[in-house]
Amino acid sequence: DTAVSQTPKYLVTQMGNDKSIKCEQNLGHDTMYWYKQDSKKFLKIMFSYNNKELIINETVPNRFSPKSPDKAHLNLHINSLELGDSAVYFCASSQGGWGQKYNEQFFGPGTRLTVL
Amino acid sequence: AQSVTQLDSQVPVFEEAPVELRCNYSSSVSVYLFWYVQYPNQGLQLLLKYLSGSTLVKGINGFEAEFNKSQTSFHLRKPSVHISDTAEYFCAVSGLLDEKLTFGTGTRLTIIP
Repeated sequence: DTAVSQTPKYLVTQMGNDKSIKCEQNLGHDTMYWYKQDSKKFLKIMFSYNNKELIINETVPNRFSPKSPDKAHLNLHINSLELGDSAVYFCASSQGGWGQKYNEQFFGPGTRLTVL
Repeated sequence: AQSVTQLDSQVPVFEEAPVELRCNYSSSVSVYLFWYVQYPNQGLQLLLKYLSGSTLVKGINGFEAEFNKSQTSFHLRKPSVHISDTAEYFCAVSGLLDEKLTFGTGTRLTIIP
């Protein structure tokens, strides 16, 4: 059983297009995250949602819009894609609410986005 | 705010030899420390973590790490590596009330047969 799943696994698209990446977790967790891993393997958090409420919004262009229809899903929509958006995007989830005792984050397999 | 430094971007090691992957962090508050492993074309998997208590923590696959507060380090070690340990290893830190993980730039461990 997949704990944190992402679709699609690979996404190749042209500059200027709009695309979405979906994330689902079946762990019953309250908090979900999006991370970006660039070509140099550097990982940086983009967003965090707790029970459908936005908690973290790092310095990310507003072309990126996360959407959480329920606490098991956190989708990432990207408008007007640019070359620099090419990266691997990881979804993660953790139990419990923000500010509570440590909760391990479980990562999805990643979505490799290539913008041509 | 926290930061993590992994000075070694690549570490080649002969099979069955010991390895140490270095991690130093910077923070104005107390932190939790983590090592994650990323196998080729896969997501991240937690290897081990330091939350409190004993400074020597053991993780999966025979890895261990030691928290050294005075040196602000959390180096990862394994006494004898295997081919299957070939992967990217990330050190990460978070504040005690902050679930945001700050990652280092990663160390690629390559095992030489």
